Amino acid sequence: GAVVSQHPSRVICKSGTSVKIECRSLDFQATTMFWYRQFPKQSLMLMATSNEGSKATYEQGVEKDKFLINHASLTLSTLTVTSAHPEDSSFYICSARGQRGNQPQHFGDGTRLSIL
Amino acid sequence: AQSVTQLDSQVPVFEEAPVELRCNYSSSVSVYLFWYVQYPNQGLQLLLKYLSGSTLVKGINGFEAEFNKSQTSFHLRKPSVHISDTAEYFCAVSGSLGDDKIIFGKGTRLHILP
Repeated sequence: GAVVSQHPSRVICKSGTSVKIECRSLDFQATTMFWYRQFPKQSLMLMATSNEGSKATYEQGVEKDKFLINHASLTLSTLTVTSAHPEDSSFYICSARGQRGNQPQHFGDGTRLSIL
Repeated sequence: AQSVTQLDSQVPVFEEAPVELRCNYSSSVSVYLFWYVQYPNQGLQLLLKYLSGSTLVKGINGFEAEFNKSQTSFHLRKPSVHISDTAEYFCAVSGSLGDDKIIFGKGTRLHILP
């Protein structure tokens, strides 16, 4: 089945640093990738939708200058948390979808981000 | 816009007993419906999906769900649960036109009792 790889799985860093998370579709071309944030014991909140070669569409309330998304190829999207602070600590999950319409999203295993 | 309501935040069930996890949705357009499972510190895995056709959908790991348009429900069922089914289950909905994003419910934690 379709596989999405997310890296790193866990990162701990100091406040003020920037952190990059990668999301790769390993066996299909992902025209659309999604980035979610999940707080403990809560549901997934969509942060942004990115289409290959174009700017990401951010959900209301998500700071696009804080969470930089790049989808430069059909197999790779990156999320950079700039100048991270403790309140940015969370579980970030990406997903990828190949075609338009009724194709399901395939999820990565998530990245646990802890800002000290 | 679509929305999803999972009525139960946690469901305890004895091993080998049947289980039903409830999901209701609202939408002004026709929808696609999904159930995902999340094991601790992992991403989501698709259990099953309803796109069209038969309202009874069978998925992986012995799960099935039934789409009921009149009741706007998509409840998930399994006739006999196993300890390995302990996880968080998310119901999700998207519009059936174009590239609509998926909206997730708040999740139901299935707790299997020995």
